[in-house]
Amino acid sequence: NAGVTQTPKFQVLKTGQSMTLQCAQDMNHEYMSWYRQDPGMGLRLIHYSVGAGITDQGEVPNGYNVSRSTTEDFPLRLLSAAPSQTSVYFCASSPDRGRVGYTFGSGTRLTVV
Amino acid sequence: LAKTTQPISMDSYEGQEVNITCSHNNIATNDYITWYQQFPSQGPRFIIQGYKTKVTNEVASLFIPADRKSSTLSLPRVSLSDTAVYYCLVGGSSGNTPLVFGKGTRLSVIA
Repeated sequence: NAGVTQTPKFQVLKTGQSMTLQCAQDMNHEYMSWYRQDPGMGLRLIHYSVGAGITDQGEVPNGYNVSRSTTEDFPLRLLSAAPSQTSVYFCASSPDRGRVGYTFGSGTRLTVV
Repeated sequence: LAKTTQPISMDSYEGQEVNITCSHNNIATNDYITWYQQFPSQGPRFIIQGYKTKVTNEVASLFIPADRKSSTLSLPRVSLSDTAVYYCLVGGSSGNTPLVFGKGTRLSVIA
């Protein structure tokens, strides 16, 4: 049981490049979400999904796209990377969107130069 | 979305009990209160969750008064390894509403 797996762990992008951050969970959780955490700050919600085929925007969705074709996977796409997207990105999953605790991945540290 | 307010930081000596209070004045009737712990360079980790009164597990206790407008996370006899950021979240009661993290409380345990 691997929990929530995020890849890659580290990434450096040039401004304007695109990439996909991968998130996979093997716990059959319906609810998945993406957060970003800037230095010394709390976590801000980017996008979330309550099940396969259903996604919605969080607090800071601009510049990011998501899709949820399967229960297990919830990739986050950066369309055209900007230095302001330099951050640590966390993926989380839960069997229920709040009544049971979230399980977080170990994060992807992204630097945009 | 229910907003929470926590102290930005707290200091404690090893072996002491630490209480971190969270205010959530607009908590909804069916919302749960959940606390997470985050160490540097790691994702948050679930600590404890409650709805009312008191909940205790092997790590912490959670005290919730009758009006549920606040909650207190109690860490007994902290050690240096409890130095972390602690987040209080409120939600989970309605439809697709996601949980939103605040800035958390940075606890520093001193030897």
